[in-house]
Amino acid sequence: GDSVTQMEGPVTLSEEACLTINCTYTATGYPSLFWYVQYPGEGLQLLLKATKADDKGSNKGFEATYRKETTSFHLEKGSVQVSDSAVYFCALSGRGGSNYKLTFGKGTLLTVNP
Amino acid sequence: DTGVSQNPRHKITKRGQNVTFRCDPISEHNRLYWYRQTLGQGPEFLTYFQNEAQLEKSRLLSDRFSAERPKGSFSTLEIQRTEQGDSAMYLCASSFRTSVNEQFFGPGTRLTVL
Repeated sequence: GDSVTQMEGPVTLSEEACLTINCTYTATGYPSLFWYVQYPGEGLQLLLKATKADDKGSNKGFEATYRKETTSFHLEKGSVQVSDSAVYFCALSGRGGSNYKLTFGKGTLLTVNP
Repeated sequence: DTGVSQNPRHKITKRGQNVTFRCDPISEHNRLYWYRQTLGQGPEFLTYFQNEAQLEKSRLLSDRFSAERPKGSFSTLEIQRTEQGDSAMYLCASSFRTSVNEQFFGPGTRLTVL
């Protein structure tokens, strides 16, 4: 079945540092890929998405590129801020018959210190 | 549109009691999903509806769990004879029926079973 593996946390960075959170997936065909973010005390928010190979999703300075050859969708940001502290989840949605549920990774806690 | 709403936000109950949670999706969305999230894990899919039809329920955790969406608008998730292992965050999401399956999440209901 579908699965998502993302980098174990927690990740602690200083403000303005570069961020990469690795995400790889296993799925039949070509799924849609997502990054969701969960700020403390809040619900899941969609951060960015990509629906086909080589697509780059971007939002709020974060980027991720859909790499079919490596089945990866790594999240990157060039300069993190304290306000980026949150839990980040990589997720996929399959095609065809499995196009209803999202399959999530376990999440990566990011803490950014001033 | 105020997004997906869930009530109550918190529920504390004693083992053996029944609980019911409500989800109000984004009004124009025809799909509604329920997920469960335990500490340190990503959300886990439980069931979903397209309009009023429950199209997938095999992932409901046991026959103590049931969900309804009687008029294709709001939905309820009921847990009968609660157990301590049911303690978790229960998330609702909604979407359009599209190939991308971008889902929008509510804030969740945190259940604590004593």
